[in-house]
Parts: sequence; C-alpha cells; structure tokens
Amino acid sequence: SQTIHQWPATLVQPVGSPLSLECTVEGTSNPNLYWYRQAAGRGLQLLFYSVGIGQISSEVPQNLSASRPQDRQFILSSKKLLLSDSGFYLCAWSVYSRGGEKLFFGSGTQLSVL
Amino acid sequence: GENVEQHPSTLSVQEGDSAVIKCTYSDSASNYFPWYKQELGKRPQLIIDIRSNVGEKKDQRIAVTLNKTAKHFSLHITETQPEDSAVYFCAATFTGTASKLTFGTGTRLQVTL
Repeated sequence: SQTIHQWPATLVQPVGSPLSLECTVEGTSNPNLYWYRQAAGRGLQLLFYSVGIGQISSEVPQNLSASRPQDRQFILSSKKLLLSDSGFYLCAWSVYSRGGEKLFFGSGTQLSVL
Repeated sequence: GENVEQHPSTLSVQEGDSAVIKCTYSDSASNYFPWYKQELGKRPQLIIDIRSNVGEKKDQRIAVTLNKTAKHFSLHITETQPEDSAVYFCAATFTGTASKLTFGTGTRLQVTL
C-alpha cells in the first residue's frame, strides 16, 4: 500500500533563516505531489504541485520554492523565512481511481517563524 | 475559476443528533466532490467523496448528497459521537483533477455529551 512520509513534525525557525521540508512517497511510482499550507484556523492553500521529476507548478507567488529531485521526493524550501510563513505545511499525493484523482495528505509540519 | 462556499463555519450538536454541512460551488463543470475530516493538529483525511454521476452516497453514518442543478452538495452525519468532533472541509474540482481541487473554508463540528 502507498504511504507518505513528511518531516519534521514541528519546526521553530527565526525570521530570515532558511527552510527545507521533505516529503517522500512509498508504494507507488510517478505520483502527483503537492505542497499545501494551512494558516491557523484557516483553510487549505495549494502552494506547489508536481507531475514528475523536475516539473513544478507554482500556484501562489511568494518566497517559497519547491523541487522534485527524485520521482517520490518533494521538497519545500525557502532562503529567508518571513513571519507570515508560519503555518501547517502538508505534503500530499494523488492517485487515479475510477476515472478521477483522490488526494491524500501527509502528517504535516507545524512551522513557527519567530 | 472554481469558488466553493461552506456553511456553517461552526456547528455544535448533542451526541446522537444529526449534523449537516453544506457547500455550494460555482463551476458547473466540477464533477468530483470530496469531504475531508481534520482533527486538531492532524492531517485532513478523506472520509467520503461523490462524483457528478450520482446524487447520493452513503458510508455507515456519513452520507453526501449532490444537487447538480443547484450546484450544492452536503455532508450528513447521523448518530453523532464525540469522535466526530473535528473540522470538515468540502472541495470541488472539474475533470477529477486533484491539482484543481478548490476547498471550502471548513466547518468546526463540536459534538457535546
């Protein structure tokens, strides 16, 4: 069965520091991968998605970037964090089922920028 | 693009009662409507979904109904239990493409004893 791993679970970073969050998927090949952000008490905002190695689509312009160096690895990065980058970051992957895609989330990273 | 509105933002029910959460969407081309449950500090989990070729789908105590003409869909939870307390998100997309999923703003359901 497919599983998704995301780490770290929590992270406290000072303003201006870099960021690297990693996500890996097991049990499937060539998955579509996603990064979402959820501000405290708010909804889900799609940041990036990828349909293959090196293919990244950005949904929201900001100081974050994403990379997909391997088929089942998705990385979210920032060179300099802002206070507004605080939030719950979720990696996700999708699978086709009965003619459509279903989206499944990783366990998330709670990022606090201080 | 798609716009999904979700109501109510908070809902409190007594254990054993039913809960209904409603969502409306704007794009008549949308054809896939999932519902996610998110407990505090946890990941959103897919609990049920429906495609536009059916009007209702049930899974034990939860059910989803879809009215394509009115462009709205609803989540129904019967015989609510304390473990149903969570934030519920609806979503919609056309062509069943996950990258185009538009989420509602969430409903915080509180089941009281």
